[in-house]
Formats: sequence, structure tokens, C-alpha cells
Amino acid sequence: SSELTQDPAVSVALGQTVRITCQGDSLRSYYASWYQQKPGQAPVLVIYGKNNRPSGIPDRFSGSSSGNTASLTITGAQAEDEADYYCNSRDSSGNHPFGGGTKLTVL
Amino acid sequence: QVQLQESGPGLVKPSGTLSLTCAVSGGSISSSNWWSWVRQPPGKGLEWIGEIYHSGSTNYNPSLKSRVTISVDKSKNQFSLKLSSVTAADTAVYYCARSGADYDPQYYYYYYYMDVWGKGTTVTVSS
Repeated sequence: SSELTQDPAVSVALGQTVRITCQGDSLRSYYASWYQQKPGQAPVLVIYGKNNRPSGIPDRFSGSSSGNTASLTITGAQAEDEADYYCNSRDSSGNHPFGGGTKLTVL
Repeated sequence: QVQLQESGPGLVKPSGTLSLTCAVSGGSISSSNWWSWVRQPPGKGLEWIGEIYHSGSTNYNPSLKSRVTISVDKSKNQFSLKLSSVTAADTAVYYCARSGADYDPQYYYYYYYMDVWGKGTTVTVSS
């Protein structure tokens, strides 16, 4: 299956650590990439590969993978991290499904 | 630095064909990247539509494959999306993106990412 499953919503207290997960069979062969999207804006790549951050992404964002689950961790969440987060991967047929997205609330 | 800009009609009639173009500036469409289209219906999540390489090779979302054509124009440094037989369900913000891919030989994993995005263009399907 090429589906990727995310929890619809997660909350975190300001300054605490939060993990957002993504599950799917394709993640056993492909690392997920993670995208942050704020209202009215285009998505922004925050993590790709094993644990790579594009230039300009704070080091409080990190990624990991185990079996069929990929995780995005924000260590010391900030108010500006409140956003929707999407995982994406590739499957053996060349499809690139997105997860359904996780709405992160910073309390 | 590479920038992408979507353009095309903001209103398409039902059963018609949606046509969008993504202009690439600050870099060449003939680089070793794939070029993708992604859409987002109002209030919903992201949906990958398809991608093209400068050679013309394409991959499409199986759920849209019968209606989608993505093409590249190297002379204009741009790529395009055509979606036929549109309905109200195709109303969305359409994004173009630059895609990269690589392989991690230590862990035998492939990875893929979309690192540059256009701002998006809203397309409404309505009579």
C-alpha cells in the first residue's frame, strides 16, 4: 500500500518536545520527507533523507525512521512552529503520496 | 536561487481542461531534478499529482493518471499541467515544485524531496 497515515492533531507546551509520526509500508524502503505549512502559504521542506535539514531550518527540527514509521521531532517547540505538517514518500510504482497532515498546536 | 511561478486561468468550466504552467527562474529545468505538481483542495491536505524529468519521463498519481498530462518546454524553461474532464472536486490551490532524489548506501534507503515550491495558484471549477 502507498498510503501514509498521520495523527490529525497534536499539541505541545511552549518549549517542550513533540514527535509527529507517519506510518506506511513504503517507509521500509524510502525515507519520508517532511513539510511545514502555515495558513495561506506554500509548504516548506523541513526534513529529508535520514535526517537532513535544508538551509535555514532550525536545528530543533529532526527526523528519524524505524520500520514502517517515520518521525519528525521538534525539540523546544516555539510559537512559530504552530502549523500543519505533512510527510511524503515514494512507493515502488513511482507514486509519491502525502500523509493526511498533522495540525500542531503550541500551547 | 531557483524560483518557481505558477500561471494559468483561475476559473475552469466543468468538463473542461485545466491548464497551468510553471516557470522556472534562477536555474535550468534541464538540471538533475524532477519537476512536480501538487494540489490542495480548500481545507484539505496535499495531494501529489505527478512529476516530469527534462527528458520527458513522467510519473503520475494513479488516481489521476487517466486525466493528467505533464509536459516540459526546455526552450522556455517551464513545465505544464493539463487536467481533463474537471469537476468541482478539482477546485484547489495548485503548486509546482522542484524535486530531488538520492540514495543512502549505508542504510539501503532511497529518499525523495520537494525543496523549492511556487506560491501556488487557485483554480476554481465552476460554470
